[in-house]
Amino acid sequence: NAGVTQTPKFRVLKTGQSMTLLCAQDMNHEYMYWYRQDPGMGLRLIHYSVGEGTTAKGEVPDGYNVSRLKKQNFLLGLESAAPSQTSVYFCASTFDRVYGYTFGSGTRLTVV
Amino acid sequence: KQEVTQIPAALSVPEGENLVLNCSFTDSAIYNLQWFRQDPGKGLTSLLLIQSSQREQTSGRLNASLDKSSGRSTLYIAASQPGDSATYLCAVSNDYKLSFGAGTTVTVRA
Repeated sequence: NAGVTQTPKFRVLKTGQSMTLLCAQDMNHEYMYWYRQDPGMGLRLIHYSVGEGTTAKGEVPDGYNVSRLKKQNFLLGLESAAPSQTSVYFCASTFDRVYGYTFGSGTRLTVV
Repeated sequence: KQEVTQIPAALSVPEGENLVLNCSFTDSAIYNLQWFRQDPGKGLTSLLLIQSSQREQTSGRLNASLDKSSGRSTLYIAASQPGDSATYLCAVSNDYKLSFGAGTTVTVRA
């Protein structure tokens, strides 16, 4: 089915380890986003991209990097994981700002 | 900065009662407003999308209104069922991003 696919679904990291979360969409969407969701904090925007080769910072970008080398993929990297990055990460995409957003099923990350 | 507030934070009703969920936002220069449903431990499912030029949108038992000038939206769920138990999130689109409220957690008692 068409949609937004996130890989992996679950991960446990040790403090200081690095990892990359992959988001893939097959809807030819221009805009892609990474959010994190924490209890009592709601969803907060980490980074976003308005097209292939572009990235921009959101509300909480520190400790994360992103890349959008291909239009269909948006990667979120943690270079040196910290316990404060324990969260559920959601990827989203949309064709244009006037359209609705489609979300992936999330990645649960625990940093110990 | 866009601020989105959802009231109440939690709601418990008996089956069959109508639900009224409120969302307010501070910046009225929005492209659209989207209501999502989130079940525990799951992702976000889009329920309704209201464009900034629209006043309301309906899908089955769900109806959402939008008053852009006053910065308010209301989601109505008619004749609630236990399967409607979930967290409902309101999100507004402006600039290049979607800003979320903290959600209303609904429990429908059988």
